[in-house]
Amino acid sequence: RKEVEQDPGPFNVPEGATVAFNCTYSNSASQSFFWYRQDCRKEPKLLMSVYSSGNEDGRFTAQLNRASQYISLLIRDSKLSDSATYLCVVNIPSSASKIIFGSGTRLSIRP
Amino acid sequence: EPEVTQTPSHQVTQMGQEVILRCVPISNHLYFYWYRQILGQKVEFLVSFYNNEISEKSEIFDDQFSVERPDGSNFTLKIRSTKLEDSAMYFCASSVLTEDTDTQYFGPGTRLTVL
Repeated sequence: RKEVEQDPGPFNVPEGATVAFNCTYSNSASQSFFWYRQDCRKEPKLLMSVYSSGNEDGRFTAQLNRASQYISLLIRDSKLSDSATYLCVVNIPSSASKIIFGSGTRLSIRP
Repeated sequence: EPEVTQTPSHQVTQMGQEVILRCVPISNHLYFYWYRQILGQKVEFLVSFYNNEISEKSEIFDDQFSVERPDGSNFTLKIRSTKLEDSAMYFCASSVLTEDTDTQYFGPGTRLTVL
């Protein structure tokens, strides 16, 4: 099983749609989970951390299911500017908290 | 807002040459990292660095690679003898790493092209 696995997409949805991404991770000892977004040829930028109870930031909602080792990201009322690659990121507990990236899910929002 | 900076933004080199990629982490951060991303592939961990020594490294980080914090602000990645397959984006990241947060913040990257 891959350390962090995501559906690569691409997801192509109309503006205003709701879109959901899923991610699974293999290391049950992982404690920290994140969603980053990456625009073409740019650095990964933190979108949001994912907390056990689930958390929301505006149009974005993240959920964590530790039992299933599953993380999700929901984007409501999608905007053209949401077009990017969304990276699921999981920490591997260690002295310096190494993080592992999924391959990313490409999202394209059409007008 | 403080940010991680990297120089140069693009480096072109000949195979076999040495390159040094530079990073200035966020000033109060103590943990530093290098990642690489080959075009079209995922971001891969190379090395983490804390208290002036390597904490962890991946299998990619072989003897051709080294890291250094030569002064209080810079954090460098050196590739001794570049290969064609070293062509990639190299991202530096830093974090505070406390009980409350271990979020890593990334620099804009250096695009390395080996000819």
